[in-house]
Amino acid sequence: QVQLQESGPGLVKPSETLSLTCTVSGGSLSTYYWNWIRQPPGKGLEWIGYIYSSGSTNYNPSLKSRITISVDTSKNQFSLKLSSVTAADTAVYYCARVHYVSGGALDYWGPGTLVTVSS
Amino acid sequence: DIQMTQSPSALSASVGDSVAITCRASQSISTWLAWYQQKPGKAPKFLIYKASSLESGVPSRFSGSGSGTEFTLTISSLQPDDFATYYCQQHNSYPWTFGQGTKVEIK
Repeated sequence: QVQLQESGPGLVKPSETLSLTCTVSGGSLSTYYWNWIRQPPGKGLEWIGYIYSSGSTNYNPSLKSRITISVDTSKNQFSLKLSSVTAADTAVYYCARVHYVSGGALDYWGPGTLVTVSS
Repeated sequence: DIQMTQSPSALSASVGDSVAITCRASQSISTWLAWYQQKPGKAPKFLIYKASSLESGVPSRFSGSGSGTEFTLTISSLQPDDFATYYCQQHNSYPWTFGQGTKVEIK
């Protein structure tokens, strides 16, 4: 059974860079697309972007100038960096895997981690 | 971006009722639509892909239909475990987008 787990600081100061890592267990990163999604408190879901196991990426244009998603296949991890954060970036951040058959649904999710942007 | 609009935003129903949630896309997405269930403090749970295909392990009382711009998630015979918020998601074009959610509450 594939499991995903987000990790990283729960508090980030405004204008700094948010950094999160997703560790995948029970399966390989190979041949899948790995995503970041976020959910501000009490609000809906926003797709941030994905990385393929080879390293190719696709980002949401609304965040593209501030995002970097990277992968470390040796550690079975992928990571998110979001620069120049503001209070609007406060959210629960989820990592998730793309469902192989559909090519875009998200079948396995981490439990999520709350990141608060505040001084 | 493709806008996904769910209706209603919330509904109240009783155990045993059948409920339907609609998701409309601002342009055609063929059948590239998924449905998720989310409970408070938890990650979304994957229910349906390609508009009508049930993910393995999901109870058969959940069903999906539709194509193009209009889609429906139906839950027949609501169970206590089904009270949650439901989201649709399109993956026809980037950026992938979600509906705003429909909260199913106990009457």
